[in-house]
Amino acid sequence: AQSVAQPEDQVNVAEGNPLTVKCTYSVSGNPYLFWYVQYPNRGLQFLLKYITGDNLVKGSYGFEAEFNKSQTSFHLKKPSALVSDSALYFCAVSSSRDSWGKLQFGAGTQVVVTP
Amino acid sequence: EAQVTQNPRYLITVTGKKLTVTCSQNMNHEYMSWYRQDPGLGLRQIYYSMNVEVTDKGDVPEGYKVSRKEKRNFPLILESPSPNQTSLYFCASSFGAVGGYTFGSGTRLTVV
Repeated sequence: AQSVAQPEDQVNVAEGNPLTVKCTYSVSGNPYLFWYVQYPNRGLQFLLKYITGDNLVKGSYGFEAEFNKSQTSFHLKKPSALVSDSALYFCAVSSSRDSWGKLQFGAGTQVVVTP
Repeated sequence: EAQVTQNPRYLITVTGKKLTVTCSQNMNHEYMSWYRQDPGLGLRQIYYSMNVEVTDKGDVPEGYKVSRKEKRNFPLILESPSPNQTSLYFCASSFGAVGGYTFGSGTRLTVV
């Protein structure tokens, strides 16, 4: 069975500082990894994905994520956070051995960026 | 505009009264899915569909039904809603098996 963990309920960071949101996963087969962001009273928006290839993936709004197979992690990063990055972030995983439909989300991490 | 449209946005209903939440996408996506979002639990998959007439259960299918008679539509049916189905529901669609989802704006359902 596949699973995904976001160990931090909330991450607080000052504007201009680096932002990291952690995600670890467990799957059978090759992982397909995704990050989504949810702003208040809105649906989820796709940020980036890792399917294969380069371990460093670049996505929307200046975000990037690094796939680390040995640590089974896929942490989301942004070099310089903005107040507008304050939102709820979700990591999601599926695998090459499962149907696409088995995309599983983590519990989410609330990011708070203070001016 | 490419989008996933859910209706209604808000719904308050009583226990046992059948309801349908509609979902429609205009991107010709093959894959569609329903999720519910509850505090502290993230998003949990209810049902998904890989094409017309092809559906399968997600992690929390009990109490829900779906149908995929047309590629663009994927309604969620609650035959006999109960209070534990009070939640925020999202429909999503994707072009391919590993594409990024496009999500609808959500349906906040309250069952009293």
